[in-house]
Amino acid sequence: DVKVTQSSRYLVKRTGEKVFLECVQDMDHENMFWYRQDPGLGLRLIYFSYDVKMKEKGDIPEGYSVSREKKERFSLILESASTNQTSMYLCASRSASQYEQYFGPGTRLTVT
Amino acid sequence: GIQVEQSPPDLILQEGANSTLRCNFSDSVNNLQWFHQNPWGQLINLFYIPSGTKQNGRLSATTVATERYSLLYISSSQTTDSGVYFCAVTKYNNNDMRFGAGTRLTVKP
Repeated sequence: DVKVTQSSRYLVKRTGEKVFLECVQDMDHENMFWYRQDPGLGLRLIYFSYDVKMKEKGDIPEGYSVSREKKERFSLILESASTNQTSMYLCASRSASQYEQYFGPGTRLTVT
Repeated sequence: GIQVEQSPPDLILQEGANSTLRCNFSDSVNNLQWFHQNPWGQLINLFYIPSGTKQNGRLSATTVATERYSLLYISSSQTTDSGVYFCAVTKYNNNDMRFGAGTRLTVKP
């Protein structure tokens, strides 16, 4: 079974703090993704990566950056957290040769 | 970009009832997936179904690609079926997955 893990289930940070969300997958997948989920909006893609050190912007990259130094790990960085970044953050991975994406358990981030 | 609409937005059932969830999409797609998000937030893959019909236990799905819709059927619903069901599609490449807003299902005992 594919396993995608995220570093925290719940996180509370203050406005202006730098926030790191970590995601690790154990299936040697080439592609990894970060989404945020807000009520009524479904999931929206922030960034994705198709290889180590490679990244592409999704629909809502503003205020976020990412890092992929190793194939199994994809980090989402909030340089200066703001209250409008309070959300559920979901990481996913996918093999380049298959279609299905597999999701981690999510991190519910609250910025106060 | 491609638009994905799911209906109904909310659905409340008694245990044992059947239900049909719908996903409409605005353009041709090369990938369609159904997910179930449980009350703890975990998204679980239900079906990869760009066309045709698949069944897995009490759940089945049908996608009519030429008419741009997909249906998810849940039979003999159980309380553990509660959660949000998402439809997601990709058109050009599989990195550009678009999600609908979801259907929130509540199954009452």
